[in-house]
Amino acid sequence: NAGVMQNPRHLVRRRGQEARLRCSPMKGHSHVYWYRQLPEEGLKFMVYLQKENIIDESGMPKERFSAEFPKEGPSILRIQQVVRGDSAAYFCASSPPRAGTDTQYFGPGTRLTVL
Amino acid sequence: DQQVKQNSPSLSVQEGRISILNCDYTNSMFDYFLWYKKYPAEGPTFLISISSIKDKNEDGRFTVFLNKSAKHLSLHIVPSQPGDSAVYFCAASGYRGSQGNLIFGKGTKLSVKP
Repeated sequence: NAGVMQNPRHLVRRRGQEARLRCSPMKGHSHVYWYRQLPEEGLKFMVYLQKENIIDESGMPKERFSAEFPKEGPSILRIQQVVRGDSAAYFCASSPPRAGTDTQYFGPGTRLTVL
Repeated sequence: DQQVKQNSPSLSVQEGRISILNCDYTNSMFDYFLWYKKYPAEGPTFLISISSIKDKNEDGRFTVFLNKSAKHLSLHIVPSQPGDSAVYFCAASGYRGSQGNLIFGKGTKLSVKP
């Protein structure tokens, strides 16, 4: 029973390039969450998605960041025109579709480095 | 404005003794609390959770206590083992209010010495 999968595990981009981070939830899970962790900080919520729907994007920066969870395929977190401050670990989590279930299971993360 | 606070950045405990990790929160709407364990370069691993209708939940060596009036929860690990050395994050959720996102503390680094 595979857990949450994220790729790539490490991503290096130069300033101004685009970063695409992928997340495949656990089997049977239809809720996906993205979090960002800066050094020495806790995880900060970015966005919550269900299939083809963004449920809550209150933690997403207003510009350059977008997320999707299509009907088929993984969830994608896209960062356009990356800047050095985007360097962080990005974690995806998933949870089952039952209402009221708050336990989220995390992937190993993608470590983004912006040069 | 931190809604979930872990005021001890680090804790060192001898193997076999009890580890107590603390967490405070400010938002009375939170109704579900979780503890995660994280090793370097890995994602957080779910450990144990507690609903606001309970004051204690136990799973093997791990027990979480919730004091709603004090807005405080703690994680007890007994006996502590060297493999428990990791960063522990407390997280809270107000499911109906926040639609599922977790609010995390900054973590406490636990070191269990043999």
